[in-house]
Parts: sequence; C-alpha cells; structure tokens
Amino acid sequence: RKEVEQDPGPFNVPEGATVAFNCTYSNSASQSFFWYRQDCRKEPKLLMSVYSSGNEDGRFTAQLNRASQYISLLIRDSKLSDSATYLCVVYFGGYQKVTFGTGTKLQVIP
Amino acid sequence: NAGVTQTPKFRVLKTGQSMTLLCAQDMNHEYMYWYRQDPGMGLRLIHYSVGEGTTAKGEVPDGYNVSRLKKQNFLLGLESAAPSQTSVYFCASSYPLGAGGQPQHFGDGTRLSIL
Repeated sequence: RKEVEQDPGPFNVPEGATVAFNCTYSNSASQSFFWYRQDCRKEPKLLMSVYSSGNEDGRFTAQLNRASQYISLLIRDSKLSDSATYLCVVYFGGYQKVTFGTGTKLQVIP
Repeated sequence: NAGVTQTPKFRVLKTGQSMTLLCAQDMNHEYMYWYRQDPGMGLRLIHYSVGEGTTAKGEVPDGYNVSRLKKQNFLLGLESAAPSQTSVYFCASSYPLGAGGQPQHFGDGTRLSIL
C-alpha cells in the first residue's frame, strides 16, 4: 500500500460546482498535513495546512480524519482558475520525512 | 522577494555528461530538498539537508550527489547522466520540520533531458 494515496482524476466539474477530494495515508503516526496546488508545468504551491479541527480559507475547506486516516479538500463555487492538480502532503515526523501524493487533477469547465 | 531560485531552467545533456543544478534560497531556511517529478510518480525526494554542511539520502538518491556548503545554497550533481534521469527537478526549502510541520517553498523547477 502506498504511504499516501490520491484519486488521480481528472475531476471535470462545471463552474460554480462544489467538489471534494480525499487523500488517504497509511502511517498512523503522521503529524502534519498540507494541500498544495500545482499548475501544469509549474512548481507546487502551498494551498493550505490541514489542522485537526479542520480549517477554512475562503472557498476552500480542509478536514482531517485521524480515525480513518484521510484528509479532504472541499472547493465551493469552483472557478475556472481552480483548474490544477491538487497534491496531498503528509509529514511523518521524526525522520524529516515528507511524502507527496501523486495528485488529483481538477478541470473546471465553463 | 526571490524565494527559491533554481538554475538552469532547462538543460539537455548527452548520456555520460555531468552537470550541477543550483538552488538558492533567501528565506534563511534551515532545511533544503531536491525532488524529481515524473509523470504518474509524483514528487520523489532525492536528497535533503537539515543544515549547512549536512546532507542525507532521500527516496531515490542513486546517481546523484549533493552539497550544502552555504546555508542558502543546495547543489545537486549528476556525475554521469543517464536517460532515466530525464525529469523535472524541484528544489524546496523550509524551516525545521518540528512537531507542527512546516510547509515547503519550491523553486520553479529545472527541466532536464538526457539523450
């Protein structure tokens, strides 16, 4: 089993739709979680950290479920500019080990 | 406000040639990383450094060497390039990964082709 798994997609959604991605991780000792956004042929950029209590940043909401070992990203009112690949990142701690998922591709359609 | 800068942006090499990729950061970060990204594989850690003068192997270190002589610079070397090293290389830096974790800041990548 991969340490971090994401559905590669693509998720094709119309503008204005709500879309959610999940990311599962295998190491129960994982300590920190992040969502990054990567545009085609560009570098990954931090979208948001994921806190135990969940957190929201505008149209984006991140949740952590430690019992089931997954994190989620919810995007409301999708914009064309949200089209990108979303990378889940998990930090296991103690070994300075950061693992990236392979990403979920989102395409927002006019 | 440069952040993380990688040079060169693009390079084409012949099999067996050597080259060095340079990463420079101006955020006073302790930790620096080199990743490669291949289609369907995601980002894979090659080497990382937790401070000036120290380096460590990541997930896919074979065929690469690194040096961190100055805090702000992290060099990735290919001694004898192979076609399997054709990839996009990203450098990243962060504050120390304590219990709370710290996000990484990425350079804009080096696209390397080995013929």
